Amino acid sequence: AQSVTQPDIHITVSEGASLELRCNYSYGATPYLFWYVQSPGQGLQLLLKYFSGDTLVQGIKGFEAEFKRSQSSFNLRKPSVHWSDAAEYFCAVGAGYGGSQGNLIFGKGTKLSVKP
Amino acid sequence: ETGVTQTPRHLVMGMTNKKSLKCEQHLGHNAMYWYKQSAKKPLELMFVYSLEERVENNSVPSRFSPECPNSSHLFLHLHTLQPEDSALYLCASSQGLGPGAFFGQGTRLTVV
Repeated sequence: AQSVTQPDIHITVSEGASLELRCNYSYGATPYLFWYVQSPGQGLQLLLKYFSGDTLVQGIKGFEAEFKRSQSSFNLRKPSVHWSDAAEYFCAVGAGYGGSQGNLIFGKGTKLSVKP
Repeated sequence: ETGVTQTPRHLVMGMTNKKSLKCEQHLGHNAMYWYKQSAKKPLELMFVYSLEERVENNSVPSRFSPECPNSSHLFLHLHTLQPEDSALYLCASSQGLGPGAFFGQGTRLTVV
């Protein structure tokens, strides 16, 4: 069965430090992978996505993610975290035909706190 | 302005009430979705509409009834809900293999 695992429920980093959020997936075919961010009381905003091609994907707000098929991972990174990055981050795999953009299986999320 | 607007933002209803959640997308997308976000559980896909036809229903109880009258509007009709149905209900839309699904800000539903 398709699934997404985000092993870290809560991470705290200092402002200016680097960040890596982990995501592992289980999917039978070539996965379509996404990272979303959710600020308190808000909906989800797409940070980046991977469909094919270059395994290092650049997204908005200075985020990037690397697809590693051998490890079934799609970890999210940012070289220098800003206080405004404090939010909850969700990894998702597209479960629909052709990686349907909205038919998604989500992980449980990782809450990011940023220390001044 | 996210392009996907949900109303109301907050709703408190009794277990015998009937209410509806509304979603409107201004992006010209051809697919719309309802998700449920509960505390301590992953986001769960409830319904998928593509070209105004329901293409997926993930074993959602019949007390939730979706309606998609056109490609821009999606409703979730609620009746005789249970307290465990309290959650954030998110609407999303997408267009083929475009730039990803766009989510609304959600309706925070509390069933008392």
